[in-house]
Amino acid sequence: NAGVTQTPKFRVLKTGQSMTLLCAQDMNHEYMYWYRQDPGMGLRLIHYSVGEGTTAKGEVPDGYNVSRLKKQNFLLGLESAAPSQTSVYFCASSYRGLATVNEQFFGPGTRLTVL
Amino acid sequence: EDKVVQSPLSLVVHEGDTVTLNCSYEVTNFRSLLWYKQEKKAPTFLFMLTSSGIEKKSGRLSSILDKKELFSILNITATQTGDSAVYLCAVPPFQGAQKLVFGQGTRLTINP
Repeated sequence: NAGVTQTPKFRVLKTGQSMTLLCAQDMNHEYMYWYRQDPGMGLRLIHYSVGEGTTAKGEVPDGYNVSRLKKQNFLLGLESAAPSQTSVYFCASSYRGLATVNEQFFGPGTRLTVL
Repeated sequence: EDKVVQSPLSLVVHEGDTVTLNCSYEVTNFRSLLWYKQEKKAPTFLFMLTSSGIEKKSGRLSSILDKKELFSILNITATQTGDSAVYLCAVPPFQGAQKLVFGQGTRLTINP
């Protein structure tokens, strides 16, 4: 199993450009998440999905859109990139829990720089 | 507002020392607390704690939860340079939410 994979690994954009980050998992997990990580800020949740066809906003959703058309894929889009979106982006997934949150499995990250 | 605060933010020790990392939280309807280790890339899961006073242990790492005082500690004994990493603490914010709120992390550096 590959686990959680992310593409691309690195990207440099100019202000105003758009791009899509792809996350894929082969563990048949129901839940998927997109985080950004900035120095001294820990991981902040952008958007998440509790199943195919569903998405929900996290802590810092502005400037991002997501889609979960297939269970194994979760796409993060930036329609008009801004320098404030320079960050490392992590995707994660977890299986459907019952009474509590289960551990999340993380992808290797995408380092995005917006000039 | 749900909050997770870790301390210290940064810690530098010598190989062989014992360290204690702290995580305090304020969430509605606490269910669990998770610890992750992040080296160069993706965070990897260490422990999940749900009950007060029960220590979870894995090798030289151990963790315990105090639900009355709303904190958890992560202990690492006989530290090695490979323990150098950022240690993250996280909790689910409210009942039914299948997501996590993370603390800022503690950057641990072990010098030989």
